Amino acid sequence: AQKITQTQPGMFVQEKEAVTLDCTYDTSDQSYGLFWYKQPSSGEMIFLIYQGSYDEQNATEGRYSLNFQKARKSANLVISASQLGDSAMYFCAMREGTGANSKLTFGKGITLSVRP
Amino acid sequence: ETGVTQTPRHLVMGMTNKKSLKCEQHLGHNAMYWYKQSAKKPLELMFVYNFKEQTENNSVPSRFSPECPNSSHLFLHLHTLQPEDSALYLCASSQAKGYRRQETQYFGPGTRLLVL
Repeated sequence: AQKITQTQPGMFVQEKEAVTLDCTYDTSDQSYGLFWYKQPSSGEMIFLIYQGSYDEQNATEGRYSLNFQKARKSANLVISASQLGDSAMYFCAMREGTGANSKLTFGKGITLSVRP
Repeated sequence: ETGVTQTPRHLVMGMTNKKSLKCEQHLGHNAMYWYKQSAKKPLELMFVYNFKEQTENNSVPSRFSPECPNSSHLFLHLHTLQPEDSALYLCASSQAKGYRRQETQYFGPGTRLLVL
């Protein structure tokens, strides 16, 4: 089974509107971390936001928030007030395990296009 | 320079060539990573170095040879590559913490490699 599932083929949003990018994950660990990264066409993976499995509140970083639903194993990224510069690929990732054995697993990504 | 830098940004090489990719992190981190990103596939972890020691080799063919002379520099030596090795190669770094799940990886801009 895939560890990280991102099924939306491509998303479009109007500038200044909010958009939700979906991510579901699969793990038997009780303690894990969830990350979202943005990858513009230039190639660099830019860290956006982190959510720990034991965090009681949803993570927020500026216009980014993470809608964490632990029972459903989902960690959706919400971008408020979209900007043209938000057009990029977005990757959800999960870290499991401890110490040197911990691994970061990425999903296949979602393409977001912001329309003016 | 700040963050994680990679050189060259683009590379075209023949199957008989030998070349090296360079990564440098300016974040004071103690762990470095090589990832491969092929079209339409999730990011694949290749190698992990913790405190200059290789702790992960994710079944990578021997035509890829990593080198980590110190905690700030990471190289990927390439020889006799195949056309299917054409991809974006991303370097990342992180600061190992007691709770590895919170450990965020920061990426460089990548090297786009084309093997002819």
